[in-house]
Amino acid sequence: GAVVSQHPSWVICKSGTSVKIECRSLDFQATTMFWYRQFPKQSLMLMATSNEGSKATYEQGVEKDKFLINHASLTLSTLTVTSAHPEDSSFYICSARVGLHTGELFFGEGSRLTVL
Amino acid sequence: GDSVTQMEGPVTLSEEAFLTINCTYTATGYPSLFWYVQYPGEGLQLLLKATKADDKGSNKGFEATYRKETTSFHLEKGSVQVSDSAVYFCALKDFGNEKLTFGTGTRLTIIP
Repeated sequence: GAVVSQHPSWVICKSGTSVKIECRSLDFQATTMFWYRQFPKQSLMLMATSNEGSKATYEQGVEKDKFLINHASLTLSTLTVTSAHPEDSSFYICSARVGLHTGELFFGEGSRLTVL
Repeated sequence: GDSVTQMEGPVTLSEEAFLTINCTYTATGYPSLFWYVQYPGEGLQLLLKATKADDKGSNKGFEATYRKETTSFHLEKGSVQVSDSAVYFCALKDFGNEKLTFGTGTRLTIIP
């Protein structure tokens, strides 16, 4: 199947700094990518839908100025957690869709963020 | 709104045991149902899916049947292997909606 890669797999940062997480589709072009957040023992929560060349669509309750999403090319979307705080510590997962609306989703391996 | 409730883990079984992981859902429309699996250090992978009532999804010896009357999509496997150790997520996608709604995941450990 198609491969989606996230980088970094884990990151530790100080409170107040910004962290960028990359999501790449390695062997296909993805017009749409999704960003999820997972808290311990909870389900994956969709944060935003990222469309290449346009602004991301954020889910209700997700601060768009806090979680900046850029999808500048068909193979790369980035999530930047700005001015991170300990409560932003979480597991962030991206997925990319092959093809249009009914295409299968492929997921990255996730990025664990710890804010000290 | 849509929601998925799945069996809490962790679940530990001996090799060759029978596996059931329960999943029930609430949806406003006519959802498609999915099971994803996440092996250690890897991303979620689609394991199987069903798009309408009474459909049975199957893959790698796993099966799940879309039961509209009980709003369930339980995952089963007749004889598990150590290599099946992973986290399993039940999910749904409502028709016409791009959004996947996930359950909390069930960690499965198979011991030899």
